[in-house]
Amino acid sequence: IQLTQSPSSLSASVGDRVTITCRASQGISSYLAWYQQKPGKAPKLLIYTASTLQSGVPSRFSGSGSGTDFTLTISSLQPEDFATYYCQLLNSYPLTFGGGTKVEIK
Amino acid sequence: EVQLVESGGGLVQPGGSLRLSCAASGFMFSDHYMDWVRQAPGEGLEWVGRTRNKANGYTTEYAASVKGRFTISRDDSKNSLYLQMNSLKTEDTAVYYCGRAHGTKWSDHHLDYWGQGILVTVSS
Repeated sequence: IQLTQSPSSLSASVGDRVTITCRASQGISSYLAWYQQKPGKAPKLLIYTASTLQSGVPSRFSGSGSGTDFTLTISSLQPEDFATYYCQLLNSYPLTFGGGTKVEIK
Repeated sequence: EVQLVESGGGLVQPGGSLRLSCAASGFMFSDHYMDWVRQAPGEGLEWVGRTRNKANGYTTEYAASVKGRFTISRDDSKNSLYLQMNSLKTEDTAVYYCGRAHGTKWSDHHLDYWGQGILVTVSS
C-alpha cells in the first residue's frame, strides 16, 4: 500500500489554516497516524487512528478521514508548527510513511 | 519517563556490518512491539522493521529494502532492542531511530515514543 501526501511543501503565515492530505492506494480504514518532525529531531506523534489527538498535542491539530483519503488540519498555524509532517500506514506491513509535507514560513 | 537511547552508529565500509542498540527505560519493555525507522540525509522517513513481543512469539517484519540483510532482535532482560545490519550499502546511510509501538492491536500500532536517532554512514 502506498501513501501519497500533498502538497510536498507549502508556505503559510502565522494564523493561517493549513490542510495536508494523505491518500492511500487502497482502503486502510482509520489505521493512519500523523507525525511532526523538526530539523535534527525525532518525529513526534500528533494523531493516531486518523483522528485521535495524542495526549499533550495542542487542539489546533486535528485529523479526519477513513478509507483512502485523510487530512491533517492546523486550525491556526503557530511559529512552532513550522516543520515537516508525515502520515503512516498502521494496518498492513510494511508500515509505510508518506513522502512528507514541509510547512514553511511565508 | 519513557526513554529510548540508540547507540552503535558510525562509519562502515560497503559490504560491512554494524549492530545498533536501543536501550529502553521508563516502561514495561517486554509488553511492547518495537520498531526501527530510518531517514537518509535530506529524505523522508522509511520504516525498517518491527519485532513483536514475547506473547506474539518475538516475530519480525521487515521492509523489502532490508529483508535478508538486517535482523531485528530484542533482549527483554536487558530492556534492549537491536538492529544487526549486514551487507551494508551506501544507500543504507541514514539516521536510525528506534520507536515504541503503543500497543499490540492494529489500532495501537502508532509509534508514541522515539529515540533521538543515531547516524550510520556507509562509505569507502
